[in-house]
Amino acid sequence: QKEVEQDPGPLSVPEGAIVSLNCTYSNSAFQYFMWYRQYSRKGPELLMYTYSSGNKEDGRFTAQVDKSSKYISLFIRDSQPSDSATYLCAMSGNSGGYQKVTFGIGTKLQVIP
Amino acid sequence: NAGVTQTPKFQVLKTGQSMTLQCAQDMNHNSMYWYRQDPGMGLRLIYYSASEGTTDKGEVPNGYNVSRLNKREFSLRLESAAPSQTSVYFCASSPQAGATNEKLFFGSGTQLSVL
Repeated sequence: QKEVEQDPGPLSVPEGAIVSLNCTYSNSAFQYFMWYRQYSRKGPELLMYTYSSGNKEDGRFTAQVDKSSKYISLFIRDSQPSDSATYLCAMSGNSGGYQKVTFGIGTKLQVIP
Repeated sequence: NAGVTQTPKFQVLKTGQSMTLQCAQDMNHNSMYWYRQDPGMGLRLIYYSASEGTTDKGEVPNGYNVSRLNKREFSLRLESAAPSQTSVYFCASSPQAGATNEKLFFGSGTQLSVL
């Protein structure tokens, strides 16, 4: 079983829809939770970063963490064609003195105009 | 701002050939990393350098070597390329060595094919 599970999609939605992207994890040592966005043929870029359980909002994006269920989500409101990308969840926790970052495999999102 | 710069962007090798992937960052970051990204596997850490002068193995180090040339530059070497090393390679950097929240800044990647 992978430490981080993420549905690879693809997920296709109409412009303006609310998008929900999710990851589950098994390692209770994970302390920090991140979402990266990766456009085709580009490197990942940090989109959202959270520490505690609860919600964090940044514009059209909301990151949600439920540590008790080991479940994190990213919501995109009023989705735009420019949001079409692969979204990677990532989590970090101490592993032998090093803050190991573990990535999900990414969910490919397409927003159709 | 250039951020993290990787060269080359594309490379085709024959089995057994060697090559070095170059990475440089201009953000004055302490830590640098090399990842590979494969379909269905996600990003996996090959090697990292927490600070200038140190390097450590990550999750999948076999077949690779690294050099932290200075604070800006971190290279990845394939001594004898194998088809299993066909992948997209990403260099990344982060501000603080040993930080509890590794915010990673990635380069645009090198697509490597080993025939």
